[in-house]
Amino acid sequence: EVQLVESGGGFLKPGGSLSLSCVTSGFTFGNVWMSWVRQAPGKGLEWVGRIKSKTDGGTTDYAAPVKGRFSISRDDSKNTLYLQMNSLKTEDTAVYYCSTVFFLDGYLQGPWGQGTLVTVSS
Amino acid sequence: QPVLTQSSSASASLGSSVKLTCTLSSGHSNYIIAWHQQQPGKAPRYLMNLESSGNYNKGSGVPDRFSGSSSGADRYLTISNLQSEDEADYYCETWDSNNHVFGTGTKVTVL
Repeated sequence: EVQLVESGGGFLKPGGSLSLSCVTSGFTFGNVWMSWVRQAPGKGLEWVGRIKSKTDGGTTDYAAPVKGRFSISRDDSKNTLYLQMNSLKTEDTAVYYCSTVFFLDGYLQGPWGQGTLVTVSS
Repeated sequence: QPVLTQSSSASASLGSSVKLTCTLSSGHSNYIIAWHQQQPGKAPRYLMNLESSGNYNKGSGVPDRFSGSSSGADRYLTISNLQSEDEADYYCETWDSNNHVFGTGTKVTVL
């Protein structure tokens, strides 16, 4: 079964740092590009950033609001995706999801994790 | 970068059909998009990707009631035989070489 499980969310003050994890299973993690997407309370989906597979260069891209503050990395040996968030602002308060899209046994898979809540408040 | 425009809401009766529209901004009419469903209180679910040709690939397990089509810069999601569990927010998404963008979402109400 394809699964993505995020963890690491919490409550913290502006200016703080937090690291999120996304543990995956059921597919060859090292072969896929992975994304982080967030959703502020009562709002729509917002793309945070993406990391390519190492085969495709392993490079990262970020949305403008988080560029320079957030960093995405991956550990293919642990099938795990990370999001390091620094200099957090109140507007970073959101549920953070990891997601990906790939073909498995000829079928398109687009799993999302269940999300982890990050609250930034003074 | 592309911008996606969606209506804020749509409604239809149980058992009927509803067609949602996602419009790509000028200069991006050939982009592929993805449709996602988010039921209340749940994580999003990937429904399909949809090309400018109208060809689409549905995600594993997505019911046959969901289909896609395209016309110019417009990308459509049609839900046939509407069920109560289809009451949800529907988001379109597109991407270019270094950026992704989501539409603002359409809330579907089943009457």
